[in-house]
Amino acid sequence: DTEVTQTPKHLVMGMTNKKSLKCEQHMGHRAMYWYKQKAKKPPELMFVYSYEKLSINESVPSRFSPECPNSSLLNLHLHALQPEDSALYLCASSRSSPIKDEQFFGPGTRLTVL
Amino acid sequence: AQTVTQSQPEMSVQEAETVTLSCTYDTSESDYYLFWYKQPPSRQMILVIRQEAYKQQNATENRFSVNFQKAAKSFSLKISDSQLGDAAMYFCAYRNNDMRFGAGTRLTVKP
Repeated sequence: DTEVTQTPKHLVMGMTNKKSLKCEQHMGHRAMYWYKQKAKKPPELMFVYSYEKLSINESVPSRFSPECPNSSLLNLHLHALQPEDSALYLCASSRSSPIKDEQFFGPGTRLTVL
Repeated sequence: AQTVTQSQPEMSVQEAETVTLSCTYDTSESDYYLFWYKQPPSRQMILVIRQEAYKQQNATENRFSVNFQKAAKSFSLKISDSQLGDAAMYFCAYRNNDMRFGAGTRLTVKP
């Protein structure tokens, strides 16, 4: 199994809703990532988990809350989002090293905040 | 801070021809990795090729090869024998502690 799966594929939510994005991989990878990608822009790193511990938080607003329950799962909890948070949210994983290992990307969740 | 620059927002190539996508980066680090990722219209990012900064030899993957010039901080991607399936957004990426992407180059392949 060499893929990263993400659910849901699409999500529409209001500014007062609470929702979660899920990411899963079964490649034995120990590093997992959340990226935000606006249309026609490159992905922007949000969070990095290494061995289930948050190692990088790129000054992301607290309305985004990541969680890594185990080495295969990564969640992104959303609360009180703004319309400008509408974007494609990509999850990725890599074997372990923060430098050399290839990142495998999921298909993304397209989020629309009304 | 590390920055990655792709100066070609769009490129076009005739099927079966060769095209080169440019990428430059800025860093003070000596140990890092460089990547080219492809993002087709379906939006899933796929790794095309990877280059370790400590290796002088340019990486090659079938029809894809890079021209890595460490002193010039340049990392271009050459696609030979272009195919219709190569049409996508191509992102150059630099990785040290985290990953930084360039703005991307949209490649169109004309039949």
